[in-house]
Amino acid sequence: SYDLTQPPSVSVSPGQTANISCSGDKLGEKYVTWYHQKPGQSPVVVMYQDKKRPSGIPARFSGSNSGNTATLTISGTQPMDEADYYCQTWDSDTVVLGGGTKLTVL
Amino acid sequence: EVQLVQSGAEVKEAGETLKLSCLGSAYTLTNDWIGWVRQMPGTGLEWVAIMSPGDSETTYSPSFQGRVTVSVDKASNTAYLQWSSLRASDSALYYCARLVRVGATGHYFDYWGQGTLVTVSS
Repeated sequence: SYDLTQPPSVSVSPGQTANISCSGDKLGEKYVTWYHQKPGQSPVVVMYQDKKRPSGIPARFSGSNSGNTATLTISGTQPMDEADYYCQTWDSDTVVLGGGTKLTVL
Repeated sequence: EVQLVQSGAEVKEAGETLKLSCLGSAYTLTNDWIGWVRQMPGTGLEWVAIMSPGDSETTYSPSFQGRVTVSVDKASNTAYLQWSSLRASDSALYYCARLVRVGATGHYFDYWGQGTLVTVSS
């Protein structure tokens, strides 16, 4: 089965840049979607097809995907960005989800 | 606005049956694939199953194959996730979500329900 690996946690100071990685075999050949989930809320798409932002997602969110690693970048991170972040792709006609990364803004 | 409205929290005993619902609002559920995702307390997201309501084509995660059944009622625009015999380990939050299919690997869940909390006592 195909696996996606994320760091369990990432910490960043307000106003700094946060990079959240997602690794998988030849991941750059697949599309990656990123979700964030705040406590008590349903997941929300923040990036799809590697680098497309849904309407309503701030421009400080950007995405890239190359080689074996996809990265979600949050520039000028704000306290409201603190959440769990999940990457997701598709393999062999099935959903593949990363284990999630807890982003702490402090 | 597209909404997925899920049924309320459930408290069951092991061995009982359960059927969760997911009502499509402001969109025709049979037009798009629908998925179910589990989140156990304090853990990440796990996909359970995806289904094409139009033709009932369904794919189950190996972790859930044989344990759950997904279905859809076109007349009521509602999708369902059901168990015939619950276990304590089924206790979790379950989400339904609309699946957008893009190319070969660009599929993603764009709208999510609010989640249904299932508690199963042993």
